[in-house]
Amino acid sequence: NAGVTQTPKFRVLKTGQSMTLLCAQDMNHEYMYWYRQDPGMGLRLIHYSVGEGTTAKGEVPDGYNVSRLKKQNFLLGLESAAPSQTSVYFCASSSALQRGNTGELFFGEGSRLTVL
Amino acid sequence: LAKTTQPISMDSYEGQEVNITCSHNNIATNDYITWYQQFPSQGPRFIIQGYKTKVTNEVASLFIPADRKSSTLSLPRVSLSDTAVYYCLVGDGYSGAGSYQLTFGKGTKLSVIP
Repeated sequence: NAGVTQTPKFRVLKTGQSMTLLCAQDMNHEYMYWYRQDPGMGLRLIHYSVGEGTTAKGEVPDGYNVSRLKKQNFLLGLESAAPSQTSVYFCASSSALQRGNTGELFFGEGSRLTVL
Repeated sequence: LAKTTQPISMDSYEGQEVNITCSHNNIATNDYITWYQQFPSQGPRFIIQGYKTKVTNEVASLFIPADRKSSTLSLPRVSLSDTAVYYCLVGDGYSGAGSYQLTFGKGTKLSVIP
């Protein structure tokens, strides 16, 4: 049981380049999330999805786009990378939310992105 | 969205019990309290969740007083491998109008000393 898998694990980009991070989960979870974590900081929510074909903005969505064409996959795209997007990106998934309770979030191992 | 406050860091010697308290004064009636652990270069990992009173599992206990305005994560007899950042989350991050902002704060950095 792989859980949540992120690819790639490391990537170096030049300013202005584009790339896509892939998150795949095999737990049949409805909810999926993309976070970024900067050094010494907590995790901030970029975008999330409550089901196949739906996405929504989180706390820091600017500069990112997402898609959820299949229930098991959640893609995070950077159209024109900037140095400020240098960070570690984490994907997570969970079963359906209840009001007041996220249940257990399952996280991937992270993708370290450096933008020069 | 209930805001949480935790100590930035704590030190403990191996074998001691560690208690990390999280304040959440504006917790809503339906909100659950969840704790996560994060090791360097890894994603957070669920530790324990509770709604009221006391919850215990194989790795930790969670104490929640009657007013639910705070909670305490208790780690019994810590070892060096418990050195990590611990995050307290309250609720589901719902911020109104169908919007969610499930953000992890800076957490508490626990350092276990030999």
